[in-house]
Order: sequence, then C-alpha cells, then structure tokens
Amino acid sequence: AQTVTQSQPEMSVQEAETVTLSCTYDTSENNYYLFWYKQPPSRQMILVIRQEAYKQQNATENRFSVNFQKAAKSFSLKISDSQLGDTAMYFCAFTGAAGNKLTFGGGTRVLVKP
Amino acid sequence: DADVTQTPRNRITKTGKRIMLECSQTKGHDRMYWYRQDPGLGLRLIYYSFDVKDINKGEISDGYSVSRQAQAKFSLSLESAIPNQTALYFCATSDPSSNYGYTFGSGTRLTVV
Repeated sequence: AQTVTQSQPEMSVQEAETVTLSCTYDTSENNYYLFWYKQPPSRQMILVIRQEAYKQQNATENRFSVNFQKAAKSFSLKISDSQLGDTAMYFCAFTGAAGNKLTFGGGTRVLVKP
Repeated sequence: DADVTQTPRNRITKTGKRIMLECSQTKGHDRMYWYRQDPGLGLRLIYYSFDVKDINKGEISDGYSVSRQAQAKFSLSLESAIPNQTALYFCATSDPSSNYGYTFGSGTRLTVV
C-alpha cells in the first residue's frame, strides 16, 4: 500500500519570503501522480500543483514549484514570495497510474506572518 | 453552482442516531469518493465508486455505508453515529481522462455528541 508522509506539522514564514514543505512517499509503482492541495480556512480543497512521475521536469505554477526526486521518493513544495493568502493547510497526495484513489499525507499548516 | 455539492455543510447529531451525508456532482464524472479528515491524519478514504453498480471499501469503512443512487449522486450513511466519527467529511469526483484531476466538495463538518 502507498503511504505519504509530511514531517512538518506546522511552519511559519514572513510575508515575501520563501518556505519549503517536505513530502515523502512510498510506492512500488513506476508511473504515478503526485499533488499538493491547499486547504484555507474556508476548508475548500484547492489543487496547487501536479507532477507526473514520468516527467523529469519539475512542475511550476506561478509562485509554487516542486522538487521531485523520484529515486528518493521525495516531493517538496516551494512557495516563493509568500503572501498572506497562502496561510492554509497543505496536503501532499499520491495516486497510482490507474488513478483509483488519492492517498494523503497528514498535512502541514503554513502561517504567513505580515 | 458548485461542481460538487455536499449537504449539509454542518451537522450536530447524537450518539446512536442514523445520519446521511449527501453528495451530488455536475462534472459528469463516473468516479466518486468519500473521505474523512482528522487533524494530523490528513484525508482518509472511506468508500469509492467507479460507476452506479460499483462500490468499494476504502481504508476506514467500518461504521459507514454508501449508496450510489445515480451517476451524479453518492451518499454516505452512519448507521449508528458514535463520537469518534466526529470529523470533516469530503466528497470528491475524478476523471481519468484529465490526468486524474480530483474535484472536491466543500465538506460536511459532523459532530457526534
């Protein structure tokens, strides 16, 4: 069974600075998809970024980028130029090639301080 | 209107009561899911369904049941609610043709007293 681990329960960052969230996963599959989701206080689950395992290039979405290390089974999220609106819970998630279900990590709470 | 609608948004119920959480979607997706969120544990899968005639247990299905009434509707029932089922519940849909993009409802916060 796949597992996803987020080792940082909480992180804080000053506005305009950079913060990196860690995620590791365990799988025997070679092809799969990885995701970062944001959950603001509104509790809506918002997709931040997605990475396909067969792509070596790291995904980027505006101020959000990932560092995907397939051999190490690591998938970290970097938030650049942090904004107050980035304050939220962030979840790392995994699905296999068949996309049958998402497996989530425990989440990291990010607080952006003015 | 939201693509995935969950009702109710919040609910308080008493121990031993039967309760149903409802989910409907306008995405046209075949795949639907119920997840439970607890602090520090992330979201865990309760049940999932790939079409109207397909129901599968997730990792924490004990104490829950589901019904897929139509492609667009997937409800979750707690037959006899207990306090440790207090949690935030999410319904989601997915589409394999779009790299498994998942769409989530806005969640139902359930409190069992």
